[in-house]
Amino acid sequence: GENVEQHPSTLSVQEGDSAVIKCTYSDSASNYFPWYKQELGKGPQLIIDIRSNVGEKKDQRIAVTLNKTAKHFSLHITETQPEDSAVYFCAASEISGTYKYIFGTGTRLKVLA
Amino acid sequence: DVKVTQSSRYLVKRTGEKVFLECVQDMDHENMFWYRQDPGLGLRLIYFSYDVKMKEKGDIPEGYSVSREKKERFSLILESASTNQTSMYLCASSSGTGAIQPQHFGDGTRLSIL
Repeated sequence: GENVEQHPSTLSVQEGDSAVIKCTYSDSASNYFPWYKQELGKGPQLIIDIRSNVGEKKDQRIAVTLNKTAKHFSLHITETQPEDSAVYFCAASEISGTYKYIFGTGTRLKVLA
Repeated sequence: DVKVTQSSRYLVKRTGEKVFLECVQDMDHENMFWYRQDPGLGLRLIYFSYDVKMKEKGDIPEGYSVSREKKERFSLILESASTNQTSMYLCASSSGTGAIQPQHFGDGTRLSIL
C-alpha cells in the first residue's frame, strides 16, 4: 500500500525566513496531494493541494511543488509569520476511486519572532 | 463553508465501557472518515463510509465499529473501551463525485480511557 514519509519532524525558523517541508510517497498511482495545517486545539485545515498533472501551485506565501518522477512533493512558506506556527501534514491519495489518503507524520513548525 | 461537527471536544470514559463518538457534516458529502491521531504517528484511518449504510475498514479497525444510518451522520463506536484507545479522534468528510476532493475535518474529540 501507499506510504508517505515527511521531514523534518520539527522546524524552527526566524520570522521572515522561508520554511520548506518535504514528503515522499511510494505509490506512483497517487494523483492528489493535499497539505493541512493544524493549530492547537483544532482539526486539520486544508491550506493547499496539487494534482499530478501540475508541477507547482502557489497561493500567496504558500507554494507546493511536485516531482512525479522522484515521487516527492514539498510545501514552501515564504516570509513566515508567528501565526504560521502549527503542525503541518502532507497526504497522498491512495489508488484511484477510493477517496482515501495516507498522511505523513507531521511537521511542527515554530516561527520565532 | 463545509462544517464538520464532532459532538464532544473532551470525553472521559472507563475501561470496558461502550463509547459513541458522533460526527455530523452539513455539505451533503458522500464520503465520511474516522481517524485516530497520536503523536509521531500522524493520522491513521480507522473506518470510512462512501454511502449510507456502507462502511469499509481502514488501517486500524480493531476494537472499533461504525454506523452510518443517515448521510450526514457517521458514528464511531468503541465496543469495550481500553486504555490503548486513549487518543484524539478526528472525523472528516469529502465529496464522492468525480475526481478525489479535499477532506474537511472536525475539531476532534480527545478521548481518555481510565
